[in-house]
Amino acid sequence: EAEVAQSPRYKITEKSQAVAFWCDPISGHATLYWYRQILGQGPELLVQFQDESVVDDSQLPKDRFSAERLKGVDSTLKIQPAELGDSAMYLCASSLAQGGAGTEAFFGQGTRLTVV
Amino acid sequence: AQRVTQPEKLLSVFKGAPVELKCNYSYSGSPELFWYVQYSRQRLQLLLRHISRESIKGFTADLNKGETSFHLKKPFAQEEDSAMYYCALGTTSGTYKYIFGTGTRLKVLA
Repeated sequence: EAEVAQSPRYKITEKSQAVAFWCDPISGHATLYWYRQILGQGPELLVQFQDESVVDDSQLPKDRFSAERLKGVDSTLKIQPAELGDSAMYLCASSLAQGGAGTEAFFGQGTRLTVV
Repeated sequence: AQRVTQPEKLLSVFKGAPVELKCNYSYSGSPELFWYVQYSRQRLQLLLRHISRESIKGFTADLNKGETSFHLKKPFAQEEDSAMYYCALGTTSGTYKYIFGTGTRLKVLA
């Protein structure tokens, strides 16, 4: 069964360093999402792509976070410089279409980031 | 404002007892509601969606637009139902996106 792949699974980085996460969505899924999940909270949308275009990045802290999906397939989320408050689980998800009719989002295993 | 509220962080029930996980939403458009579940050491996955009106693993949820609720119910809880449950709202106006609640941890006690 096709799954969303994320790497790395775990990342420990020092404050002020750069860190990057990678996501490979299910083949054919046009919509890709990056979520941040802080312990004890639900996933919060950071950025959403439709193919290679950003359609929502209203909650992305653009002074330090960037995301790209150059060929409309896999995606990278970068943080530079990392801050202590960035410690969280970063989830990638993909869906076949941009919503409607109960479109299901499929999630990856996530990357657990710890900033020390 | 678009918001999903799950008032209970933790719900403990005994095996065989009925379960109801509460979910309320705030959305001015036509909502699409989902329940996602995360079992221990597994990824978040869809449990059910209101549009299908289906029953998955004995769970059902009815969208009540008057009360803006989408509570998840099961008549007889099983130990394997122990997991984290998230209610999610799909916004149908503008860019479609999923807004998640804070989640409820269900513990089914033997």
